[in-house]
Amino acid sequence: GAVVSQHPSRVICKSGTSVKIECRSLDFQATTMFWYRQFPKQSLMLMATSNEGSKATYEQGVEKDKFLINHASLTLSTLTVTSAHPEDSSFYICSAPRGGRVTEAFFGQGTRLTVV
Amino acid sequence: AQKITQTQPGMFVQEKEAVTLDCTYDTSDPSYGLFWYKQPSSGEMIFLIYQGSYDQQNATEGRYSLNFQKARKSANLVISASQLGDSAMYFCAMREGLRGNTGFQKLVFGTGTRLLVSP
Repeated sequence: GAVVSQHPSRVICKSGTSVKIECRSLDFQATTMFWYRQFPKQSLMLMATSNEGSKATYEQGVEKDKFLINHASLTLSTLTVTSAHPEDSSFYICSAPRGGRVTEAFFGQGTRLTVV
Repeated sequence: AQKITQTQPGMFVQEKEAVTLDCTYDTSDPSYGLFWYKQPSSGEMIFLIYQGSYDQQNATEGRYSLNFQKARKSANLVISASQLGDSAMYFCAMREGLRGNTGFQKLVFGTGTRLLVSP
């Protein structure tokens, strides 16, 4: 079964509104989570690293005021797309590494955001 | 420079045949990990196989095996006995700086290869 749960899986919102996406680790604690963005037929691009109890680290070119990240607990990180515009329409997916030899990164199911 | 290169945008294979998906990487870090993920049309990322830079043997997981050639910096995925359900996008990814690193490093992904398995 899934070890990382992402919600919602699909959302349509009006331009100018904000959308919150949740990423939960189900049976382990994740001090770090990653948020990726994927445009159609393209690869995953890291947007930011979410750190529990501290500020997120954003990749170059990602607007931190537009993509707000909150990692309030050891099992939950949220990504809020503020004042969404049609160009923000994309597939957003989170991942949470679980400790161990592989430090395998488990991914959520992804969220397909459409801004109309 | 590209960290991960997947030169095959698309591959076709007949059911029950084997197929190799290419991946080359670029890093100066002696400690790294290589991953393969499958992404079906639903969008989820499914972990397939992992190879650590210090692993002596090539990784295998069921029908998946990783042909790791360190000197050539390649980590090709081999899928044996292809099934119709294998049709999907396949991404190669790398994480650098593993040994002695207590933190979690991000994954860098290649551009992916779309695999189509025909009956």
